[in-house]
Amino acid sequence: EVQLVESGGGLVQPGGSLRLSCAASEFTFSSHWMHWVRQAPGKGLVWVSRINSDAGTTNYADSVKGRFTISRDNAKNTLYLQMNSLRADDTAVYYCARALVGKRNIFDIWGQGTMVTVSS
Amino acid sequence: QSVLTQPPSASGTPGQSVTISCSGSSSNIGSNNVNWYQQLPGTAPKLLIYTNSQRPSGVPDRFSGSKSGTSASLAISGLQSEDEADYYCAAWDDNLGNVFGTGTKVTVL
Repeated sequence: EVQLVESGGGLVQPGGSLRLSCAASEFTFSSHWMHWVRQAPGKGLVWVSRINSDAGTTNYADSVKGRFTISRDNAKNTLYLQMNSLRADDTAVYYCARALVGKRNIFDIWGQGTMVTVSS
Repeated sequence: QSVLTQPPSASGTPGQSVTISCSGSSSNIGSNNVNWYQQLPGTAPKLLIYTNSQRPSGVPDRFSGSKSGTSASLAISGLQSEDEADYYCAAWDDNLGNVFGTGTKVTVL
């Protein structure tokens, strides 16, 4: 079954760091753009970042630029999100999402999400 | 704050039709395609409509999408109880990256 499984979420203090992982299975991971999308409790979806298939291109939402870094390891079929200088408003469920092959921004497969809570 | 505006709620009785609007600008909907996602309670979003009006395999033809100028819409015909969910439009914005709509909660009365 084509699947994305996130991990690495948890409780972190303001100013702290966290690294999320997204393990892909049953598809050719290296052929797809990948994204991170987050959703604060009771709120809507917010796009965070994207990376192209060979990791040569990355883009970020203004709210995380300079603090978050997206990366991928195609040999390990894994997507990452390094989050530094975390703030309370970064508290959210973080989803990784796959873009349709040949398309950059159509998210056809989503993970189940991992919760990140930033609080003292 | 999202740059794509949707009504916060919509409702209908089983069998009725519901339409959800998504209003944007020239930097997003006006120059890029629109996708729609359905999020059932407590679950991850699911792709419902892509490239304005295309349905992925497995999505019932009760769901349809359209785009005109800087606006898009999602129509649900023959409303069913399992359609009760949050619906989000999305598009690439030339200045901001991918943007989602504010979301619309559909209630089946």
